[in-house]
Amino acid sequence: DQQVKQNSPSLSVQEGRISILNCDYTNSMFDYFLWYKKYPAEGPTFLISISSIKDKNEDGRFTVFLNKSAKHLSLHIVPSQPGDSAVYFCAASAERGGSNYKLTFGKGTLLTVNP
Amino acid sequence: GAGVSQSPSNKVTEKGKDVELRCDPISGHTALYWYRQSLGQGLEFLIYFQGNSAPDKSGLPSDRFSAERTGGSVSTLTIQRTQQEDSAVYLCASSHGLAFGDTQYFGPGTRLTVL
Repeated sequence: DQQVKQNSPSLSVQEGRISILNCDYTNSMFDYFLWYKKYPAEGPTFLISISSIKDKNEDGRFTVFLNKSAKHLSLHIVPSQPGDSAVYFCAASAERGGSNYKLTFGKGTLLTVNP
Repeated sequence: GAGVSQSPSNKVTEKGKDVELRCDPISGHTALYWYRQSLGQGLEFLIYFQGNSAPDKSGLPSDRFSAERTGGSVSTLTIQRTQQEDSAVYLCASSHGLAFGDTQYFGPGTRLTVL
């Protein structure tokens, strides 16, 4: 039973355009959400996070949107650059549920940004 | 500064053998985590340490898996009598603590192949 789902295994966009990566979750206890980026042969690198008390968090070219009623979050990258090409993982934890140490990950989306 | 390091980077072993995987967390980080990523899957939580104790071992797949942490620093994950289904990338992460928003920083992983 997958509690965090990334339904698009891959996404291809043109350099300079917007990349939108989507993530859905089923566990209503999740209240903290993160995006990690992973290059081949490297560990995941933290990108951006959002608490359930917010619906948007922005950091430079990266913005995460959270829709709690739909149990959906998305990562927007604007403008996309070839160096953004990587696998993006969505992750969630239940901070107030006492399981803040345990991240539950989606299967990832491979983003390819074409020059 | 130095990030999380793991050794070996690759390990090939025969079914039935024991293996030890090592993790060196970021200096000063009190919390340490083990995850694994099987082919085509997201990261799966195995165990975490706060200092030298492991309050939650529920993610360990079977009693063939064990982990320890000594001196509040280095951790080893041991898999006894390895099976082919143990083949995966084993990732270690560390965080400053367990406070809300403490980011987990990942190492590059150990790719384990059981023949």
